[in-house]
Amino acid sequence: GAGVSQSPSNKVTEKGKDVELRCDPISGHTALYWYRQSLGQGLEFLIYFQGNSAPDKSGLPSDRFSAERTGGSVSTLTIQRTQQEDSAVYLCASSLLRSEGYTFGSGTRLTVV
Amino acid sequence: RKEVEQDPGPFNVPEGATVAFNCTYSNSASQSFFWYRQDCRKEPKLLMSVYSSGNEDGRFTAQLNRASQYISLLIRDSKLSDSATYLCVVNMINQFYFGTGTSLTVIP
Repeated sequence: GAGVSQSPSNKVTEKGKDVELRCDPISGHTALYWYRQSLGQGLEFLIYFQGNSAPDKSGLPSDRFSAERTGGSVSTLTIQRTQQEDSAVYLCASSLLRSEGYTFGSGTRLTVV
Repeated sequence: RKEVEQDPGPFNVPEGATVAFNCTYSNSASQSFFWYRQDCRKEPKLLMSVYSSGNEDGRFTAQLNRASQYISLLIRDSKLSDSATYLCVVNMINQFYFGTGTSLTVIP
């Protein structure tokens, strides 16, 4: 597609449930990033995929969070046993070249009630 | 020390004013630099890349000072539509690091 696509755009879930967030990067982009942003806060790095290399998971806040990227394209971020503090906008971004910066999707707004 | 630091502001300026933001970075081996703009409840969008020689795009000028490890963004003749949060982004060792953003409000 023309841009980075994320789904769902909004998700309301009950505390303790698992959720899956999807990111479709720009076709051909080898790098994919997940960030989250709480209301009024800066961007918090979660995980980074680059080609076939092992992902950089250093930003994942707990073992309830995991992500995978299948076939070097679509990525899924999974949050198990959601907690209220997981409520945030989860943003995905992709890039081709470091020199070009990257493009964000419009995010998934997750609300845990 | 954070990899990228910005003054969070807020900056409140009148229409037509010139305003400048600075951003410092910690790793001298940083390779690429960018300014992003984020409107309220929207995703960040690339405003401009920052080149070593400095670059200009209309009312916006970006500069890089490698010796002092900072980048700057200058906005001339501010418009109401410039109101947003401006994020500096630095690429270091294949990773992009964001500043926390500087909030700008342009007042009529």
